[in-house]
Parts: sequence; C-alpha cells; structure tokens
Amino acid sequence: QSALTQPASVSGSPGQSITISCTGTSSDVGGHNYVSWYQQHPGKAPKLMIYDVSNRPSGVSDRFSGSKSGNTASLTISGLQAEDEADYYCSSYTSSNTLVFGGGTKLTVL
Amino acid sequence: EVQLLESGGDLVQPGGSLRLSCAASGFTFSNYAMNWVRQAPGKGLEWVSTISGSGLSTYYADSVKGRFTISRDNSKNTLYLQMNSLRVEDTAVYYCAKGTVSGRHFSGCDYWGQRTLVTVSS
Repeated sequence: QSALTQPASVSGSPGQSITISCTGTSSDVGGHNYVSWYQQHPGKAPKLMIYDVSNRPSGVSDRFSGSKSGNTASLTISGLQAEDEADYYCSSYTSSNTLVFGGGTKLTVL
Repeated sequence: EVQLLESGGDLVQPGGSLRLSCAASGFTFSNYAMNWVRQAPGKGLEWVSTISGSGLSTYYADSVKGRFTISRDNSKNTLYLQMNSLRVEDTAVYYCAKGTVSGRHFSGCDYWGQRTLVTVSS
C-alpha cells in the first residue's frame, strides 16, 4: 500500500489556475474511477472536494474540478482565492480492496 | 444535519488497548459505509479501515490488520474501532468519516468527525 505521489507544494496568485497531480499505479488510480480529493485547513477536519474522479459534492465551488489520465489524477482550481490556501490530499480505491492517500500538497496563494 | 462525534481517545502504553466510538446522526446510518482515517502529528492522512453499511464487510490497512477491529451497531447509529497491541506509531488523531454514496463500500468521505486523539507512549 504505497502512498500516491503528490507534489509537496504548489503556489499561485489570486485569479490564476493551478493543478495538483496525484500519481499512482494501474492497481489504484489507473485501474479504477474512484479517486477523491480533500482540502484540509490547519487544525480542521478534511473536506471532500471531488469524488469518483470528477464529481463535486453539493456545496463545493465549481472552481474545483477533477480529471484522470492513465495512472495520474489531477485537481484543478481555477480563479484562485485566498481561502483556497490549504493542504490537499488525493485518495484512491485499490485492487486490494483498500484505500490509499497521497502524501499531501500544500497550496500557497501568493 | 449530519453529525459525527468521536470519543474514546486517550493516552495508553505500548501494547495496550483502546476502543474508539463515533456517534452518528442526521442520516440513515445503515445505508452508508463508514471509515476510520488517522493523521499522525504533522503528517498526512492515512486510511485505517472501512466497514460496509450492513457491517458484513470490513477492510483494513496492512499497518493495522490483525490488531484493529472495526464494527458498527446500526441500532445505536454508532461506529467503533477496537485497537489492540497499540504501538507508538499508532499515535495520531483519528477521524470517523461517512461514505459518500449510499450502498457503496468505497466512495470517498463526505462528512468527517471532529477527531479524537490517541497517544501511545510509555
């Protein structure tokens, strides 16, 4: 159960778009359409932003979108806002009937 | 309104046991898989375990398999995590989290509890 690979940090200016990648294998990200993305502010519980690769839960801004190509999933945030600054985690279902998280990406809004 | 309220976190010695509980309200508990996810101090999220809505199917991370047992009481709308043979590396905040899609075992976690702290130390 190796963790999915995410960049340690990304940054962008207000109004810009950024993309966070999440790389796994054919046994997790590439083999199933069950990738989720979470936002976590310091000291807070994670918040689900995307599930099943590209579905947004109700109440989540449409500035957040998800996609997948091969073994890599991506979270794109458009129209970056100060409140988007947080840690972001991807997770995927695996062929072993488990879940695996990425190591997390710290997003800084410049 | 969906609410998840964890309890049971404590300071325990290595080799000891602890049982976490998560009281759920605001949704039809038996329709949704439930999950435990933990986060060590200053570290990322780590999936621990998942249980189906009926309780008949359970899944575990390799790091806890054989030591932790997930269960649920649908009559009490409560999720449990029995933790035995605790190790220093089990020190973390533990979240219970609700599955997103009714009937599916794995579908992301759309609601999370406020967390409970487990500290394993001598």
